[in-house]
Amino acid sequence: ELKVEQNPLFLSMQEGKNYTIYCNYSTTSDRLYWYRQDPGKSLESLFVLLSNGAVKQEGRLMASLDTKARLSTLHITAAVHDLSATYFCAVDTGTYKYIFGTGTRLKVLA
Amino acid sequence: DTEVTQTPKHLVMGMTNKKSLKCEQHMGHRAMYWYKQKAKKPPELMFVYSYEKLSINESVPSRFSPECPNSSLLNLHLHALQPEDSALYLCASSQGGGTTEAFFGQGTRLTVV
Repeated sequence: ELKVEQNPLFLSMQEGKNYTIYCNYSTTSDRLYWYRQDPGKSLESLFVLLSNGAVKQEGRLMASLDTKARLSTLHITAAVHDLSATYFCAVDTGTYKYIFGTGTRLKVLA
Repeated sequence: DTEVTQTPKHLVMGMTNKKSLKCEQHMGHRAMYWYKQKAKKPPELMFVYSYEKLSINESVPSRFSPECPNSSLLNLHLHALQPEDSALYLCASSQGGGTTEAFFGQGTRLTVV
């Protein structure tokens, strides 16, 4: 059974600081996605990572994928309050199954 | 246009009621999904339709019955639900083939009383 684990589960950080969220998964996959979810809202797609070594950046967020280590990272640079949300990674098993990680609740303090 | 539309946005139903959730996409996606999300938890996959055929049922109780009338529409029929079924129900669609992410609708907040 595929397991997708994120850490930390909860992150409280000051504005202007940097931090990294980790996503580990237990089976072979070279397709991984990052989503953002605001409280009570749906999921917004952030990044699509489709190969080993893929790196994508948008604003203060950068995502990478290491398929050999079965690890993806979401790096936050100079955090701002607007980044407060829950972040999920999702692994595509290749059979129309997107399995979500445990989620990281990020709170950026002003 | 990357929109997936779900109706209703909120639904309160009794344990003896029958109701349906609806989902629509016009992106030409060939796969459509139902997920269930409890508070502070990740979305859990329930059903997947690919090319209008049910391809995955994650051992969901029969009180949840999916239906895919055509490639743009996905329904979830609800009957004799329990209070623990209260959750956010999310519909999603994807191109299939693993080349794109799944796009999610706004969800239906279901409360079973």
